[in-house]
Amino acid sequence: NAGVMQNPRHLVRRRGQEARLRCSPMKGHSHVYWYRQLPEEGLKFMVYLQKENIIDESGMPKERFSAEFPKEGPSILRIQQVVRGDSAAYFCASSLQRANTGELFFGEGSRLTVL
Amino acid sequence: GDSVTQMEGPVTLSEEAFLTINCTYTATGYPSLFWYVQYPGEGLQLLLKATKADDKGSNKGFEATYRKETTSFHLEKGSVQVSDSAVYFCALPFSGGGADGLTFGKGTHLIIQP
Repeated sequence: NAGVMQNPRHLVRRRGQEARLRCSPMKGHSHVYWYRQLPEEGLKFMVYLQKENIIDESGMPKERFSAEFPKEGPSILRIQQVVRGDSAAYFCASSLQRANTGELFFGEGSRLTVL
Repeated sequence: GDSVTQMEGPVTLSEEAFLTINCTYTATGYPSLFWYVQYPGEGLQLLLKATKADDKGSNKGFEATYRKETTSFHLEKGSVQVSDSAVYFCALPFSGGGADGLTFGKGTHLIIQP
């Protein structure tokens, strides 16, 4: 049973370009979470999705960031017009149940570098 | 809002030393509490959890006891190994109004020297 798969593992973008990060949750998991980890900081919650629905996006910047989890295919975190401050590791996690009752399974992360 | 505070790192110990990483929390009610571990270059993985007061979670020689009197969930291990070198995160759920997820502490970087 494959774990949470994220790609790309490393992504380099120049300022102003778009970054698109993909996450395939574990089989059978319908809850997907995106977190951002900045150097020397902890993980910051960004968004919680279920299939075709954004449930909570309170941690995601209102400008330039968007997320989706379509009926078919992986969840996508999209960052438009990237800036240097977007450089971070972005982690996706999935769960079988809601996070307050179950375990989150994390992918290995996508490390974005903005030049 | 609900939050966790954990001791700043890095924590550097010699192999076979006793480990304590402090974690205190602020929460409404008595949520489940978690410790996650992140090895270099990897994602987080659950280390242990406790679902109610006085519960003790344990795994791989690590233990943590859910203490509601002191709102703490300190991580301990009696004899650490070099392979325990990693970043450790204390976490608790946030929820309500449709929100859901885990709130993590800033992480404690543990370095074990041979």
